[in-house]
Amino acid sequence: KQEVTQIPAALSVPEGENLVLNCSFTDSAIYNLQWFRQDPGKGLTSLLLIQSSQREQTSGRLNASLDKSSGRSTLYIAASQPGDSATYLCASSGGGADGLTFGKGTHLIIQP
Amino acid sequence: DAGVIQSPRHEVTEMGQEVTLRCKPISGHNSLFWYRQTMMRGLELLIYFNNNVPIDDSGMPEDRFSAKMPNASFSTLKIQPSEPRDSAVYFCASKIGRNTEAFFGQGTRLTVV
Repeated sequence: KQEVTQIPAALSVPEGENLVLNCSFTDSAIYNLQWFRQDPGKGLTSLLLIQSSQREQTSGRLNASLDKSSGRSTLYIAASQPGDSATYLCASSGGGADGLTFGKGTHLIIQP
Repeated sequence: DAGVIQSPRHEVTEMGQEVTLRCKPISGHNSLFWYRQTMMRGLELLIYFNNNVPIDDSGMPEDRFSAKMPNASFSTLKIQPSEPRDSAVYFCASKIGRNTEAFFGQGTRLTVV
């Protein structure tokens, strides 16, 4: 059974810093890995999807990487802004199933 | 498109009552997923459908939970009878194909008292 772990559970940094969020998974037989953002009391907003054949994806200030062999993905946020404050979740699908297995998330606070 | 639409947004019910949560997926999406989010367990997959057919319901916690998808534009998740431990946020998500993004609704916050 796939297990997804996110480290750290919480992170607080000053505005303007570049930062990296980490995600690890136990089963490398994934179809893809998806990063989401969740604001308090809201649904999940998809940020990036990396397919198993890809190494990275970029969207604006966000860059996500995938290393299947080591079971790791990272989300890099450049020049962080207070509006980036949210919980970031990673999730993988695979093993013959289309549903997503989620990590517990990283609660990110960007200090103005 | 308006995105995945869930109703109601909030539901408060008494223990033992039947609860029905509703979801309208994005038009054209052929896969629909129900998830539950709690502080203790995070987000967990309950059940998913492909082309209106239930594929994997191994995440449904008990027989008190049931889900249906009578057509491509509507799904329900029913809890009967409800219990306080069912209190959580229930999310519906949809996507098209295997290697595409899943899009989530705003969720239904269920409180069973």
